[in-house]
Amino acid sequence: GAGVSQSPSNKVTEKGKDVELRCDPISGHTALYWYRQSLGQGLEFLIYFQGNSAPDKSGLPSDRFSAERTGGSVSTLTIQRTQQEDSAVYLCASSLATGLSGNTIYFGEGSWLTVV
Amino acid sequence: AQKITQTQPGMFVQEKEAVTLDCTYDTSDPSYGLFWYKQPSSGEMIFLIYQGSYDQQNATEGRYSLNFQKARKSANLVISASQLGDSAMYFCAMREGRYNQGGKLIFGQGTELSVKP
Repeated sequence: GAGVSQSPSNKVTEKGKDVELRCDPISGHTALYWYRQSLGQGLEFLIYFQGNSAPDKSGLPSDRFSAERTGGSVSTLTIQRTQQEDSAVYLCASSLATGLSGNTIYFGEGSWLTVV
Repeated sequence: AQKITQTQPGMFVQEKEAVTLDCTYDTSDPSYGLFWYKQPSSGEMIFLIYQGSYDQQNATEGRYSLNFQKARKSANLVISASQLGDSAMYFCAMREGRYNQGGKLIFGQGTELSVKP
């Protein structure tokens, strides 16, 4: 499709299990972002990838969270040993890095994670 | 460190009237961009409008305009002629760095707008 694609759209997991969330950005977008949004809250920045530069991991809440981006395209956010407080919507976004159009950041529909 | 503040958790506006949603920011970088997004109850994030720190004029997009006051570090969103479909959560966001260098996008806590018929 033409937009940012995220999978799974919904995930229910047991406490202590690991989960992987996938993001497929818009083709050609070199910038990729991950955010977490708890119910009724704002967007919490997690991690940012820009081309081949080292990612900005300053928003990752703990060492249980990690993310990688293979080949400058698809990204996977991994949460190890999930806790109930990890329950949230995880949003991915992408953008171009150059030109005026690069200022428009497009979001996926999110992955709803529930830890029981 | 960059910071975005939205002081209005909730706002009400009468249909067809204009409404202003407040946003203030704090950054030491002279190059930055300001964004507004709309998030309806469906959860999708819809880009509304962008203002660059070096832009001379306030940004406008249809019924949306951004009241950019650089000295006051404010970037308020003005919605003219409100419609029932404007009822949603609105987020202000900022990204430091020139537009061709990217950078992480930081969001405010949001303002929930309700349009009354």
